[in-house]
Amino acid sequence: AQSVTQLGSHVSVSEGALVLLRCNYSSSVPPYLFWYVQYPNQGLQLLLKYTTGATLVKGINGFEAEFKKSETSFHLTKPSAHMSDAAEYFCAVSDQSTPLVFGKGTRLSVIA
Amino acid sequence: ETGVTQTPRHLVMGMTNKKSLKCEQHLGHNAMYWYKQSAKKPLELMFVYSLEERVENNSVPSRFSPECPNSSHLFLHLHTLQPEDSALYLCASSPDGVGGSTEAFFGQGTRLTVV
Repeated sequence: AQSVTQLGSHVSVSEGALVLLRCNYSSSVPPYLFWYVQYPNQGLQLLLKYTTGATLVKGINGFEAEFKKSETSFHLTKPSAHMSDAAEYFCAVSDQSTPLVFGKGTRLSVIA
Repeated sequence: ETGVTQTPRHLVMGMTNKKSLKCEQHLGHNAMYWYKQSAKKPLELMFVYSLEERVENNSVPSRFSPECPNSSHLFLHLHTLQPEDSALYLCASSPDGVGGSTEAFFGQGTRLTVV
């Protein structure tokens, strides 16, 4: 069975600082990995995904993530946080035949 | 706007009521999903439909009853709910059936409160 662990339920950064949200996964087959963002009272919006090929993937709003198979990780980063980045972020894993399995989420706060 | 529309956005219901949540997608997707999002818990997959056939039911109580009359519509019928069923219910769809490398598209959710 697949699973996702997101370290830190709440991360707080200053505006302009580096954002790092951690995600580790468990999968017995090659995974597909996703990061979603959720703003208050909204559904989930895809930030980026890894399927095959280049392990560093770029997404919307300046976010990127790197797939590291040896570490079973898919951490999300952004060089410079903006106030509008404050939201809940979810890492998810799937494979060829399995629906998305989500982590518990990390709430990002950005301090002015 | 993601192309997946859920109604109503908010619902308050008593434990003896019967209500239904509606989800609609006109993206031409083949799979549709119901997720439950409760505070401090991961998103829980409730039901999966692929090409209008239910393919997964994650041991959801029978007081939740899904219906998929066609590939564009998905319903979640609710009856005799409990207060712990209060949550955000999210509908999603994906183009290529269950799983795969293409992402799921989510609606904005229905905030359900059971009193």
